[in-house]
This record gives sequence, structure tokens and C-alpha cells, in this order.
Amino acid sequence: DARVTQTPRDKVTEMGQEVTMRCQPILGHNTVFWYRQTMMQGLELLAYFRNRAPLDDSGMPKDRFSAEMPDATLATLKIQPSEPRDSAVYFCASGSGQAQETQYFGPGTRLLVL
Amino acid sequence: DQQVKQNSPSLSVQEGRISILNCDYTNSMFDYFLWYKKYPAEGPTFLISISSIKDKNEDGRFTVFLNKSAKHLSLHIVPSQPGDSAVYFCAARGGADGLTFGKGTHLIIQP
Repeated sequence: DARVTQTPRDKVTEMGQEVTMRCQPILGHNTVFWYRQTMMQGLELLAYFRNRAPLDDSGMPKDRFSAEMPDATLATLKIQPSEPRDSAVYFCASGSGQAQETQYFGPGTRLLVL
Repeated sequence: DQQVKQNSPSLSVQEGRISILNCDYTNSMFDYFLWYKKYPAEGPTFLISISSIKDKNEDGRFTVFLNKSAKHLSLHIVPSQPGDSAVYFCAARGGADGLTFGKGTHLIIQP
């Protein structure tokens, strides 16, 4: 049963701490997306990769957020330093890279920054 | 400015009846539209999609209609079942690969 996995599922941290979220895309998918869901903004695209190369990170606050793909089976989203306004659910999704692909979402990481 | 709008935050429908969820978009570059369903504490699950070259796509109880001239799409669920109670997100893509989402409609199926 192929699915996107994300760790941790929940994270509570204090303002100023570093937060790292991990995602394992579906095996064989070459496109990975990071989304953030908040009550006010809904689901927003933060960044995405194709074949491990970052293609668009315009939705991401550059000063504190960074996204990487160390290898084809791991994507990371890091926040340093974290702030209370970063509290949200962060979703990773993967796709096959075809023209009209379906994106498959992971269960999300629920982040609370105190 | 929201490019994908779901104007009904919630919708209540009786079991067995038809549920109609609506979505409007403003970006004429969007060429692919998707509906996702989301349960609490889970990620969005893909439901059905439609390309801009079509006006209808059907999959079992789910049908998506696209009216390009009105920049409007709708999801029909018939008959509605209790397990359909969830938040439904409309999403669109054009050119770039990332999806632009609406804010969702909470569908409640009443017995």
C-alpha cells in the first residue's frame, strides 16, 4: 500500500527552537511538494521539487524556512528559528511528474510553537 | 487575492440525497482541476479530477462538472452517504506544478 509518510505527526516546541519535518514520498514519484494549512489561509504551497531539484520555493519565508531533498526517498522542511505564527499543519505530497498528475498527500505534521 | 473560492464553508445534506459542492476560480490559466476529501487528522485524499478540455467527468457516485466560461466547477455526490461527511477542497493547477486550493466546504450528511 503505497503512501506518503511524514514524521513527526505532532510537534510542540518553544519559540526560537529549530524544527525539522521529514517526508518520505511514494516510491517512484519524482515530484515532492510542501504545503501548509492554517485556519486563516487554508492550504498554501510552500515549495516543491522535481528529481530532487528545487523548482519553486516562492511560497516559503526564506529567512527562516529551508527545504531540501537529501535523496529521492527523503524530503525535509526546516524552520530555524521557529515563531508562534508558524503553528500550522504541514503536509507533504508527492506526484509522478506527469503532465496532469495527481498529488498524494501525507498525514501531515501538526506544529505548535509556543 | 484568492484564485480559487469555495463560498460555502459548510453544507448539510440528508443521506440518500444529492450533495452539490461549488467552486469558482479567477485564473484563466488553470487547466486542471481536482477535488480532495479530508477527514480530521488526515491528509487530503484525491477524489476526482477534470481537465479543462472536458466539461464532465464521472467516477461512481462522484461527478465533476466544469463550466469554463463561468470559471465554475461543481462536485456532485449521489446518493450521499454518511461516510461522505468530510471537508472537500477544490484545487486547480495551471502551468506550474503546485496546486492552488480553495478553503474547503465541510459537508455534513444527516441520517
